[in-house]
Amino acid sequence: QKEVEQNSGPLSVPEGAIASLNCTYSDRGSQSFFWYRQYSGKSPELIMSIYSNGDKEDGRFTAQLNKASQYVSLLIRDSQPSDSATYLCAVPKIQGAQKLVFGQGTRLTINP
Amino acid sequence: DAGITQSPRHKVTETGTPVTLRCHQTENHRYMYWYRQDPGHGLRLIHYSYGVKDTDKGEVSDGYSVSRSKTEDFLLTLESATSSQTSVYFCAISESFVGLGETGNEQFFGPGTRLTVL
Repeated sequence: QKEVEQNSGPLSVPEGAIASLNCTYSDRGSQSFFWYRQYSGKSPELIMSIYSNGDKEDGRFTAQLNKASQYVSLLIRDSQPSDSATYLCAVPKIQGAQKLVFGQGTRLTINP
Repeated sequence: DAGITQSPRHKVTETGTPVTLRCHQTENHRYMYWYRQDPGHGLRLIHYSYGVKDTDKGEVSDGYSVSRSKTEDFLLTLESATSSQTSVYFCAISESFVGLGETGNEQFFGPGTRLTVL
């Protein structure tokens, strides 16, 4: 089992709709979870962090965490063409060597 | 980019030559990291630093060395570059280390260096 798994996509969503990105992780000891957005040719940009079970909202973005199911998701409401990017889920690995483990990323395309 | 710069931004070099990449931060963060990003492999940690002169290996450290003589600077050296080290290299910083507490361990990335080894 991969430490952090994401659907690679591409995920295509019409403009104005809700985009839903999913991530599962293997380390039950993880306490913090991050979503990064990466535009083509650019560096990853932190857009959301979540530490507690439930939902965290920031503008059009909502992160959802379910530690029992080892699942974290990112919802983007009212999707815009500017949201087209690759979204990376990152989860700390606690057991063994501590590091931040990144998923492979989900490529999201918002169609006008 | 949270006060992080990387130099050079692009470099083309030949197999067997030494290469040094520099990461400079103005945030006074304790932790600094070097990652490489390759298609099909995602972001992989090369080395990280938890203070001046304190460094440790990541998951893909072979062929790389690092040094940190000042809080603000973290250098990545390819002793003898190989074609397999052609990649995009990102530096990142954080106040706290991953897994320690709930806040402050967010990592912020620099703009990256695209390295091509011929």
